Amino acid sequence: NAGVTQTPKFRVLKTGQSMTLLCAQDMNHEYMYWYRQDPGMGLRLIHYSVGEGTTAKGEVPDGYNVSRLKKQNFLLGLESAAPSQTSVYFCASSYSLRGQSYEQYFGPGTRLTVT
Amino acid sequence: QQQVKQSPQSLIVQKGGIPIINCAYENTAFDYFPWYQQFPGKGPALLIAIRPDVSEKKEGRFTISFNKSAKQFSLHIMESQPGDSATYFCAASMESGGSNYKLTFGKGTLLTVNP
Repeated sequence: NAGVTQTPKFRVLKTGQSMTLLCAQDMNHEYMYWYRQDPGMGLRLIHYSVGEGTTAKGEVPDGYNVSRLKKQNFLLGLESAAPSQTSVYFCASSYSLRGQSYEQYFGPGTRLTVT
Repeated sequence: QQQVKQSPQSLIVQKGGIPIINCAYENTAFDYFPWYQQFPGKGPALLIAIRPDVSEKKEGRFTISFNKSAKQFSLHIMESQPGDSATYFCAASMESGGSNYKLTFGKGTLLTVNP
């Protein structure tokens, strides 16, 4: 099992450009998440999904959109990148049992720089 | 509003020392408290977790102490080793509310264990 994979690993964007980050998991997990990690700020939840076709806003959703068209994939989009979106982005997934979520498994991260 | 406060921001100990990382939470509805460990360039990984029905949980050299009345919990690392050098995050969520998939993270502690 590859676990949780993220594409790309690194990316540099110019202000106003758009891009999509791809997260894939092969563990058949129901729940998937996108976090951003900034120095001294910990991990902050951007958006999450509790199942295929459903998404919801997290703590810091502004400037991002997501889609979960397939159970194994969770896409994070930046329509018009801003320097404030320079960060390391982590995707995670977890399985659920009778409505309860369990351990979150994280991907290796995508380092994004917006100039 | 920071719901989980973590301290210290950084910590340096000698090999064999016992680093202690503390977290305090505000939301009394939290009932699941995991700790994640993150090595440089990697995603976080679950280390150990506790629920408030117990005051202490041990897994190998790692121990969580939980004080429900004070709304505090801490991570102790016994016989610390240079390989324990990493960033540690505490987190909290609400299992009973059916939303335990939404973790609230502390800001992290950078631990360095010197040889």
